[in-house]
Amino acid sequence: SAVISQKPSRDICQRGTSLTIQCQVDSQVTMMFWYRQQPGQSLTLIATANQGSEATYESGFVIDKFPISRPNLTFSTLTVSNMSPEDSSIYLCSVTDGGYEQYFGPGTRLTVT
Amino acid sequence: DQQVKQNSPSLSVQEGRISILNCDYTNSMFDYFLWYKKYPAEGPTFLISISSIKDKNEDGRFTVFLNKSAKHLSLHIVPSQPGDSAVYFCAASPDYNQGGKLIFGQGTELSVKP
Repeated sequence: SAVISQKPSRDICQRGTSLTIQCQVDSQVTMMFWYRQQPGQSLTLIATANQGSEATYESGFVIDKFPISRPNLTFSTLTVSNMSPEDSSIYLCSVTDGGYEQYFGPGTRLTVT
Repeated sequence: DQQVKQNSPSLSVQEGRISILNCDYTNSMFDYFLWYKKYPAEGPTFLISISSIKDKNEDGRFTVFLNKSAKHLSLHIVPSQPGDSAVYFCAASPDYNQGGKLIFGQGTELSVKP
């Protein structure tokens, strides 16, 4: 399976600011996804990052709040904009090579104060 | 609307015994199911999966059972080892044509005691 890295691994940010999270894969992959895991909760899909086109967002998530880029088949970024304490979560990227199984990065633990 | 449910937030098992983790779902259109294991400060790791056309899949110590009529799946770990202590998530794929999205349960924290 692909090796996935995320930067930063964790951060503490002030409300009203923005943070960009990077996801790097060591091989070209078909699909990349961004998930959020709020404290004590399940993983929730934010959006599918499409290479060369706009991301596909799930219900409850909007591009203005979570802009996503995917310039090529190995890299994607997720920005958490105008943060509030409710955005404190673990943010995870995942990839698939075309099958059902998704492989996850180590996650970015975000705390908003 | 929680389409995938893991009703047991935690489970404690003695080393060497069987661990059984359960998962229920509501959408009969789900066509593929997966189990992930998550250690603290790490991302989820894929463990085992099963297609909706099967009722059992086995991989070493791990076996997943699917009961479509009951909309229920379970993960059996035999024998359980202390290194299996982690949070286990079940996930379902609604339809591969929906872009590969996965819907996750809330997770069950397994503790295997020596």
